[in-house]
Amino acid sequence: GQNIDQPTEMTATEGAIVQINCTYQTSGFNGLFWYQQHAGEAPTFLSYNVLDGLEEKGRFSSFLSRSKGYSYLLLKELQMKDSASYLCAVGGYQKVTFGTGTKLQVIP
Amino acid sequence: GAVVSQHPSRVICKSGTSVKIECRSLDFQATTMFWYRQFPKQSLMLMATSNEGSKATYEQGVEKDKFLINHASLTLSTLTVTSAHPEDSSFYICSALGAIRTPYEQYFGPGTRLTVT
Repeated sequence: GQNIDQPTEMTATEGAIVQINCTYQTSGFNGLFWYQQHAGEAPTFLSYNVLDGLEEKGRFSSFLSRSKGYSYLLLKELQMKDSASYLCAVGGYQKVTFGTGTKLQVIP
Repeated sequence: GAVVSQHPSRVICKSGTSVKIECRSLDFQATTMFWYRQFPKQSLMLMATSNEGSKATYEQGVEKDKFLINHASLTLSTLTVTSAHPEDSSFYICSALGAIRTPYEQYFGPGTRLTVT
């Protein structure tokens, strides 16, 4: 089975950097996704890590350590519009299991 | 590219009736579609995986006779909630898998909010 843990809520200041952690225990692993979801909307894809290391994409970066079952999403230069839930998900082709999500609130 | 639509976006129905939700991939062919359910302040829970032309694969605890899934073409999957009850009220989201940029990236529809009174 899959067990995915994320903090429930986080608060950060506009312009700052925030790191959202995710730990997972899985019976099989293909890769790790991060999605952003605004309230009442569908998730949007942010990143997918298959190999260990850091992948940077603009203001967002995602890190994966497969040996530790650990990932984080790093958001730089926070903007008010970044207030959303961030979902860590494990899987790959055919099936993805989502964590409970981290609700990020960006304050002025 | 890679747009997925859902219809309706919101639906209110009476207890005991059935509701059909459509999920369409508008500009690509989706070999696989997924149906998720999301309760307030919770994450997405996978209900079933739907492959075109074959029976859907349901997750443990999801009643296949209550949640009927039909994936009749490479661009359309439907979810029918039969004999709906208030506890079925939820946000239902579909996603489609298609080899657009990568074979693993799911494209999500905008979701359907179902309220059963």
